[in-house]
Amino acid sequence: DIQMTQSPSSLSASVGDRVTITCQASQDISNYLNWYQQKPGKAPKLLIYDASNLETGVPSRFSGSGSGTDFTFTISSLQPEDIATYYCQQYDNLRTFGPGTKVDIK
Amino acid sequence: QVQLQESGPGLVKPSGTLSLTCAVSGGSISSSNWWSWVRQPPGKGLEWIGEIYHSGSTNYNPSLKSRVTISVDKSKNQFSLKLSSVTAADTAVYYCARESAVAEIYYMDVWGKGTTVTVSS
Repeated sequence: DIQMTQSPSSLSASVGDRVTITCQASQDISNYLNWYQQKPGKAPKLLIYDASNLETGVPSRFSGSGSGTDFTFTISSLQPEDIATYYCQQYDNLRTFGPGTKVDIK
Repeated sequence: QVQLQESGPGLVKPSGTLSLTCAVSGGSISSSNWWSWVRQPPGKGLEWIGEIYHSGSTNYNPSLKSRVTISVDKSKNQFSLKLSSVTAADTAVYYCARESAVAEIYYMDVWGKGTTVTVSS
């Protein structure tokens, strides 16, 4: 089974700050990684697929990078509406979600 | 645009079987997509349960495989989840999702709103 870890588990940042979340896979998953945003009481929303491709309609302040075992998700300028939990998910072998990173406004 | 709607009992007794259905509207379940179930226990993260293709091919989370059955009903444009021998640990919000497939790229781009299932006597 492929295990996913994320860091940090939570963070607080100011509006306009650059926010970075890392995701690590227990084995090489190439680019087979997606990122989702989940707001309280809502279903997850796809933001980034195949490690670095922005889903249609998603603001360009969101981006992703990485390959192999180490991946990064970035919000270039944090906005109040970005308060949410962010999950990475691998699809190299079955599907596994990371534990999530909760993002708050400081 | 494709929409998904989960339905099923909100309360299941311990040792019973959880049964949910996901109705697909605005598109065909026979399209080139996989159809997934994901759950989220209260206050916890997302857990992938499994997926099905319209041909009937399935993939399951190894940790749940012995208790899970996912099936498809093309005539009703829906797919279903059965989870047997449930315990309180199976209490969660259950989501269905469409997993789009483009070449070797897969992503869950359409989600239902989720349905809460509580396991309790």
